[in-house]
Amino acid sequence: RKEVEQDPGPFNVPEGATVAFNCTYSNSASQSFFWYRQDCRKEPKLLMSVYSSGNEDGRFTAQLNRASQYISLLIRDSKLSDSATYLCVVIVGFKTIFGAGTRLFVKA
Amino acid sequence: EPEVTQTPSHQVTQMGQEVILRCVPISNHLYFYWYRQILGQKVEFLVSFYNNEISEKSEIFDDQFSVERPDGSNFTLKIRSTKLEDSAMYFCASRGQGDFQPQHFGDGTRLSIL
Repeated sequence: RKEVEQDPGPFNVPEGATVAFNCTYSNSASQSFFWYRQDCRKEPKLLMSVYSSGNEDGRFTAQLNRASQYISLLIRDSKLSDSATYLCVVIVGFKTIFGAGTRLFVKA
Repeated sequence: EPEVTQTPSHQVTQMGQEVILRCVPISNHLYFYWYRQILGQKVEFLVSFYNNEISEKSEIFDDQFSVERPDGSNFTLKIRSTKLEDSAMYFCASRGQGDFQPQHFGDGTRLSIL
């Protein structure tokens, strides 16, 4: 089993749609979790941290289920500018593990 | 907003040569990282660095690689005897104190080995 697994994608959605990404992790000792976005040939940029109680930032909502070792990201009212690769990131000790990413295309 | 800066943006080197990739982390950050991303593949952890020593390294980070914080601002990655398969984007990141602090990434150095 991969350390961090994400929906393979790509997701093709129209503007205004709601889209959800899932991520599972294998190490129960994982202590912190993040969603990053990466545009083509650019650096990963922090989208949001993921807290145990769930958290929301504008159109974005992140959830964490430690029992199931599962993280999710919900994007509401998708914009063209949301088109990117979304990376699930898990921290275990001093090691950072990236998922392979899920590609999102938002179309007009 | 403070940012992580990396130089050069693109490095072209002959196979077998040594390269040094440079990073200036955000000034009050204490934890530093290097990552590699081969074109079309996922971001791979190389090494983390804290308190002037390596905290964790991956299987990729073998004797060919080394890191150094030569002064109070720079954080470098040295790759000796470069191979064709070292061609990739290399990202530096830093974060502040606290387990839940996110990492902030530089915009990367594209390394091309000929």
